[in-house]
Amino acid sequence: GDSVTQTEGLVTLTKGLPVMLNCTYQTTYSPFLFWYVQHLNEAPKLLLKSSTDNKRTEHQGFYATLHKSSSSFHLQKSSVQLSDSALYFCALSAPYGSSGNKLIFGIGTLLSVKP
Amino acid sequence: EAAVTQSPRSKVAVTGGKVTLSCHQTNNHDYMYWYRQDTGHGLRLIHYSYVADSTEKGDIPDGYKASRPSQENFSLILELASLSQTAVYFCASSPTNSGNTLYFGEGSRLIVV
Repeated sequence: GDSVTQTEGLVTLTKGLPVMLNCTYQTTYSPFLFWYVQHLNEAPKLLLKSSTDNKRTEHQGFYATLHKSSSSFHLQKSSVQLSDSALYFCALSAPYGSSGNKLIFGIGTLLSVKP
Repeated sequence: EAAVTQSPRSKVAVTGGKVTLSCHQTNNHDYMYWYRQDTGHGLRLIHYSYVADSTEKGDIPDGYKASRPSQENFSLILELASLSQTAVYFCASSPTNSGNTLYFGEGSRLIVV
């Protein structure tokens, strides 16, 4: 069935370093992938999304490229800041029931940025 | 910006008691969702609705009911709360459910004792 895999539960980095959070997916349909970010005690918010193969999508310094050949949608940033500390979810839009699609979320990766 | 509000934001309930979590959106969105968040499981879909007076089961509906009396309101009901239902619950809305952004409320933390 449709699924999303995030392999890192916790990533700890020093401010200013680059980061890549892994996301791979499985689906038999045309993929539509999302990254959501959740800061402590806040609601998850959309960070970026894509359904276009091999096209880089960027927002707030973060970027990701959907690669259908490897079923991946890794999230990257060239220089992390303290304010980037948060829980990051990768999600896949998949057909569901008789009423369209739903989002399937990965378990999330907690990014902790140290001074 | 989209506005989804949940109440209560935090609640302690006794085992076997009834709990109602409420959600209100002012976005005029057709779709509304209830998700449960647990460490190690991410966000899992409990119930959703795409029109008033109709609800659909998600992936983990057991022990939960839902009610959508109007386009703006969507409630999650735990008739007999259990310890395993201790979690953070998020309501969300979206204009459609195909490739569109979900707008989440700020969550309701439920502790069942």
